[in-house]
Amino acid sequence: DTAVSQTPKYLVTQMGNDKSIKCEQNLGHDTMYWYKQDSKKFLKIMFSYNNKELIINETVPNRFSPKSPDKAHLNLHINSLELGDSAVYFCASSPLVGKTGEQFFGPGTRLTVL
Amino acid sequence: AQSVTQPDIHITVSEGASLELRCNYSYGATPYLFWYVQSPGQGLQLLLKYFSGDTLVQGIKGFEAEFKRSQSSFNLRKPSVHWSDAAEYFCAVGAYGNEKLTFGTGTRLTIIP
Repeated sequence: DTAVSQTPKYLVTQMGNDKSIKCEQNLGHDTMYWYKQDSKKFLKIMFSYNNKELIINETVPNRFSPKSPDKAHLNLHINSLELGDSAVYFCASSPLVGKTGEQFFGPGTRLTVL
Repeated sequence: AQSVTQPDIHITVSEGASLELRCNYSYGATPYLFWYVQSPGQGLQLLLKYFSGDTLVQGIKGFEAEFKRSQSSFNLRKPSVHWSDAAEYFCAVGAYGNEKLTFGTGTRLTIIP
């Protein structure tokens, strides 16, 4: 009965590699998000999708590309990984469109770039 | 642009003592306000939210928060903390018609016996 799930939970990789993180929500929500949490616990939004359409695209390097195959899934692909990409990445979903409502968070993916 | 300040990086309280975590926001109109909790190695869980109406809101796990427009604050309180309350607490602000939540930098809560 997991609401927002992410895979993998941990990801360790070398600089320069390409990796993906997957997110799925079974709550029937229309809006999904990706957040990055750095080592100081600062949480910053990266992207937001509403029903497969990109709504928010913060100043994120274009090495990061979100993909939403359907409204229940929002994946994050990262090209040419750098040391500074090491962080915890959270997926979230929200039932409200055009408002800011409660967001439901996944457990996070800890990415370590060596 | 909206912003959130949590002035306390780390707070230590004794088990059974009362707790207040501070949150100040900056936003031109009426904000939507949230408190989330993050236990070690976990995602964020919503404790409570304020959209409108009664300025004192009740949440889960015995937490409450009070919206004070004059002070631009939304402080989180709990009358008696339990060891399981040790976690990181985040205040967040949003706005009607804006999909984006802006989070504060968090307050780490340590509970001592």
